[in-house]
Amino acid sequence: GAVVSQHPSWVICKSGTSVKIECRSLDFQATTMFWYRQFPKQSLMLMATSNEGSKATYEQGVEKDKFLINHASLTLSTLTVTSAHPEDSSFYICSARPSGRIGEQFFGPGTRLTVL
Amino acid sequence: AQTVTQSQPEMSVQEAETVTLSCTYDTSENNYYLFWYKQPPSRQMILVIRQEAYKQQNATENRFSVNFQKAAKSFSLKISDSQLGDTAMYFCAFILSGTASKLTFGTGTRLQVTL
Repeated sequence: GAVVSQHPSWVICKSGTSVKIECRSLDFQATTMFWYRQFPKQSLMLMATSNEGSKATYEQGVEKDKFLINHASLTLSTLTVTSAHPEDSSFYICSARPSGRIGEQFFGPGTRLTVL
Repeated sequence: AQTVTQSQPEMSVQEAETVTLSCTYDTSENNYYLFWYKQPPSRQMILVIRQEAYKQQNATENRFSVNFQKAAKSFSLKISDSQLGDTAMYFCAFILSGTASKLTFGTGTRLQVTL
């Protein structure tokens, strides 16, 4: 149990286009999902927290108009990188917290984004 | 704000040996959780072990155990009988109790298990 999927696992796009990444909790409901960014050989950097049915909370320095987050259901959150540029190339990881559970998060396998 | 420090960027251990990864954290709160996550080359984050701060007993999961020293704010991970599959990045993480809490990660320790 407690599986989180991400789609796509990798994507290459042209500069200026938008890319959507999906994060799904497959066997549990998740009121809260998190989006992280990870640069090579570095730790995970929290970008935003999304709660089902409400606006995402972004960490300081993260452009909310660049990284659009939607958490429309208890099993799905999406991250859209708008007008992507090469500096947005990175590894994006989502995690999901089971509803009513404190201190537990399950991570998706990540999405590698390359912007040409 | 909470901080997590991992002072060992890289470590190496021979197969079947034991290795200990260090982690210290800083918080003024009393109720929290601590975790060790493993990130192998596949980059999938895998929960290794979890410790609730209110529990004095150190958590264990098969070959993995922790030494939780609450007063010293230390949370080290011991891997016994190291296996090649243990080669990975290991992240120590902290979260306060509470539904609005967020994980704070350390910078990670790259562990290489050698023959």
